[in-house]
Amino acid sequence: NAGVTQTPKFQVLKTGQSMTLQCAQDMNHNSMYWYRQDPGMGLRLIYYSASEGTTDKGEVPNGYNVSRLNKREFSLRLESAAPSQTSVYFCASRNNSPLHFGNGTRLTVT
Amino acid sequence: QKEVEQNSGPLSVPEGAIASLNCTYSDRGSQSFFWYRQYSGKSPELIMSIYSNGDKEDGRFTAQLNKASQYVSLLIRDSQPSDSATYLCAVLTGNQFYFGTGTSLTVIP
Repeated sequence: NAGVTQTPKFQVLKTGQSMTLQCAQDMNHNSMYWYRQDPGMGLRLIYYSASEGTTDKGEVPNGYNVSRLNKREFSLRLESAAPSQTSVYFCASRNNSPLHFGNGTRLTVT
Repeated sequence: QKEVEQNSGPLSVPEGAIASLNCTYSDRGSQSFFWYRQYSGKSPELIMSIYSNGDKEDGRFTAQLNKASQYVSLLIRDSQPSDSATYLCAVLTGNQFYFGTGTSLTVIP
């Protein structure tokens, strides 16, 4: 039982490049979330999807887009990466329960 | 005003002692409360959830909730070196989770 799987684990981008972070869960959860974690800032919500077909902005959505591809998958896209987007990104999911986190993607933008 | 506040620490306790971690939250409508443990370079893992006023015990861990004071705490009894980690307080308000910045705990052998 894999839980929440994120790919890639590590990524280095140059300013202006684009990329998509992938997240998939096999727990049949309805809600999925994307967070970023920065030193001293804690976990901050970027976007979430309460159910398949819906997405909503969180606290820090600027510079990101998301797609809820189906119930299992929720991707996060950076169209034009900036050094301020250097962070650790966590995907999480839930169903009337606590959040279950993936292992994270460590992204560096140079 | 931050939704969830925690002392960042670091908090150091000797092995076998009780570690006490505290958290306050700002929204009286918050309905569920969680403690996550995060080891360096790893993802947060749930250790306790609490939904009603009072204490909830699970092994060496006790979570305490006081909704009137908007206060959540976590006690770790008989602290072990393996408890050394950052502890995140999380509050569910509506459909969104809000996290504190975490308290770093070091248990000294």
